[in-house]
Amino acid sequence: QSVLTQPPSASGTPGQRVTISCSGSSSNIGSNYVYWYQQLPGTAPKLLIYKNNQRPSGVPDRFSGSKSGTSASLAISGLRSEDEADYYCATWDDILSGVFGGGTKLTVL
Amino acid sequence: QLQLQESGPGLVKPSETLSLTCTVSGGSISRNSYYWGWIRQPPGKGLEWIGNIYYSGSTYYNPSLKSRVTISVDTSKNQFSLKVNSVTAADTAVYFCVGGATQIWLDNWGQGTLVTVSS
Repeated sequence: QSVLTQPPSASGTPGQRVTISCSGSSSNIGSNYVYWYQQLPGTAPKLLIYKNNQRPSGVPDRFSGSKSGTSASLAISGLRSEDEADYYCATWDDILSGVFGGGTKLTVL
Repeated sequence: QLQLQESGPGLVKPSETLSLTCTVSGGSISRNSYYWGWIRQPPGKGLEWIGNIYYSGSTYYNPSLKSRVTISVDTSKNQFSLKVNSVTAADTAVYFCVGGATQIWLDNWGQGTLVTVSS
């Protein structure tokens, strides 16, 4: 059972906007930055969002992150078939150290 | 651009020690203000943070693994390593070596290596 709670699955059709939530507590999301990772099938995870809402160079602006209190969200607009992947939120927990969410499998219908 | 590559045995017997090495190319492992570490992913499951070592040598471990895990750096070989003692089947996973600006801001990943614990 993960310290950060994500929905196990999400789906959308091409062109739609999809959001993935990540719920934590005051000792993790509430007091630290949130990061998001995208893991395409059979590959290593890739950094998608850092410091809550910053995109590394090369990440399309269709991906955006936000944080409020002890929760965070990843939004994907203009959904494309190549966005089909597992998405993980992550943060530092002042008690437990580095923590990941359980992951959300995004299906593009 | 940094490249990370894991290496080590793909099969380890229960109660023995799992040892993996990550070779860093495209940059120095002694770079300032950088963390090196390990993440694992059991088959079909999510990611688990194992721990990091800072360029200064400070280490940070997942409390649930701390008693069994050691991460160290060999600057002469531009490598860092992971040791997990007393392994069980629950340690079977793909192990990724990682690097980043903080313990959880990880912008460089190895391709991962599967380690199976079985007799």
